Amino acid sequence: NAGVTQTPKFRILKIGQSMTLQCTQDMNHNYMYWYRQDPGMGLKLIYYSVGAGITDKGEVPNGYNVSRSTTEDFPLRLELAAPSQTSVYFCASSDFAGSSNSPLHFGNGTRLTVT
Amino acid sequence: AQKITQTQPGMFVQEKEAVTLDCTYDTSDPSYGLFWYKQPSSGEMIFLIYQGSYDQQNATEGRYSLNFQKARKSANLVISASQLGDSAMYFCAMREGSRGSYIPTFGRGTSLIVHP
Repeated sequence: NAGVTQTPKFRILKIGQSMTLQCTQDMNHNYMYWYRQDPGMGLKLIYYSVGAGITDKGEVPNGYNVSRSTTEDFPLRLELAAPSQTSVYFCASSDFAGSSNSPLHFGNGTRLTVT
Repeated sequence: AQKITQTQPGMFVQEKEAVTLDCTYDTSDPSYGLFWYKQPSSGEMIFLIYQGSYDQQNATEGRYSLNFQKARKSANLVISASQLGDSAMYFCAMREGSRGSYIPTFGRGTSLIVHP
C-alpha cells in the first residue's frame, strides 16, 4: 500500500534556485494538501486542492505554486528559493464524503534547506 | 485567533503511567471533527484518533482515548499505560464541516517524553 508518496526526501537549494516537490497518492482521494512544518509552529497550510483542476491558497502561499492536473498528483513548485523556505514539507490527502471525519493521510515529508 | 491551542510544549511521563495531552479549540461551526496525530522522531505523521462534534461517546482506539468536553471546547488525548515508543510530538487538529471548507488546522504540538 503506497498511500501518499513524496519525493525527494531531502534537498539543499541555493538562494534563487527553483525546484518541484512531487506528491502522488493512490487512494483516489479528492482532497490534497501541502503543509510546511517549522520548529515549534505546527503545520501551516500552503495550498490545497479539492479535485483535479481546482487549487486554492492556504495560510502561507507566497513563494509557491501548485497544479492539479490529475487526481493522483499534486506537485508543489518553489520559484526563486529563499532561506525563509527552509522547512519540512508534507503532502497529505483525504477522502471527502460531505463530512468532516476523513483523516489526512500524510507523505513522509521533504526536508528542504535553502542556503 | 488560533483555532487549535495546545498549551503544553513538553510533557514527561513515567513508563506505564497514563498521560493527558491538552487541546482546546475554537469554532462556531456546529459540525466539526477533531483529530490527533503522532509524529515520532523519524518524522512521519501518524493518525491516532478522531472525534466528531455530534458523537455522543468519547472516542477510543486501543490505549488512546479522547476526553471530549464540548461545552469547554476541549479534546484532550489520554494515553494509558505509556510506553517508550510513545515518545513523540503530538498534534491536535480540527476540521470544520459546514463553514471551514473541510480544511484541517493544526495546533503547535506537544512533545511527550516517556521515561523508563
